[in-house]
Amino acid sequence: NAGVTQTPKFQVLKTGQSMTLQCAQDMNHEYMSWYRQDPGMGLRLIHYSVGAGITDQGEVPNGYNVSRSTTEDFPLRLLSAAPSQTSVYFCASSRVGVEGEQFFGPGTRLTVL
Amino acid sequence: QQQVKQSPQSLIVQKGGISIINCAYENTAFDYFPWYQQFPGKGPALLIAIRPDVSEKKEGRFTISFNKSAKQFSLHIMDSQPGDSATYFCAATLGGADGLTFGKGTHLIIQP
Repeated sequence: NAGVTQTPKFQVLKTGQSMTLQCAQDMNHEYMSWYRQDPGMGLRLIHYSVGAGITDQGEVPNGYNVSRSTTEDFPLRLLSAAPSQTSVYFCASSRVGVEGEQFFGPGTRLTVL
Repeated sequence: QQQVKQSPQSLIVQKGGISIINCAYENTAFDYFPWYQQFPGKGPALLIAIRPDVSEKKEGRFTISFNKSAKQFSLHIMDSQPGDSATYFCAATLGGADGLTFGKGTHLIIQP
C-alpha cells in the first residue's frame, strides 16, 4: 500500500513552459486535492475532485488545470509556468465525508526561472 | 482574508516541557479542526483532530483544547521530545468538498 505518490520530486522550468505534476493514490479514495505550500503562507487549495469526471476550483486555481479520468489519478497541469508558481506542491486524498482527514503525498518542489 | 490565524510562528521548548500552539478562526460554519505535523522534506500528516461539540481531546502526549465561544483552539504537547521538532499546522474545514483551510504554521524546535 503506497498511499499517495507524486512525481517528479523536483522540477525546474523556464517561464512559459508547461508541465504536468503526477499524483496517484491506491486507497480507493473518492476525494483528491492539490495544495501549494509557500514559506509563511501555510497550504492553499488549488483544485479538488470528489470523483472521476468531477473537478472544482479551490482558493488559488489560476494558471492550473486538472482532470480526473480515474479514481486513482489526479494530475495537475501548469499551462504556462510563471515565477510566481515556484512552490512545493502537495497532492492529498481522503474518503468523501472525511475531507478533514487528508493523506498527503511527499510533494513536488517546483522552481520556475 | 485569513480565516485561520496561527501563533506563534516559531517556538523553542526545552525537552520535557509543554509546547503550546494557538489558533483562532473566523467562520463559525467550520465543523472539524485537525492538526497536521510536517517534517522537513515530507508531506503533512494528520496528528489529531476535534469537532466543536467537544472541549478537549487527548491522544497520548497531544491534546487539543477547544473554546467555541472564543473561536479558538490550541495544541498542547506534553513532555516535548526532540523528535517532536517539526512544523505544525492547524486547519479547519466546512465538512464538505471545499478542503482544508490552513493556518500559516508553527516551526517547533525541542532543545535536548
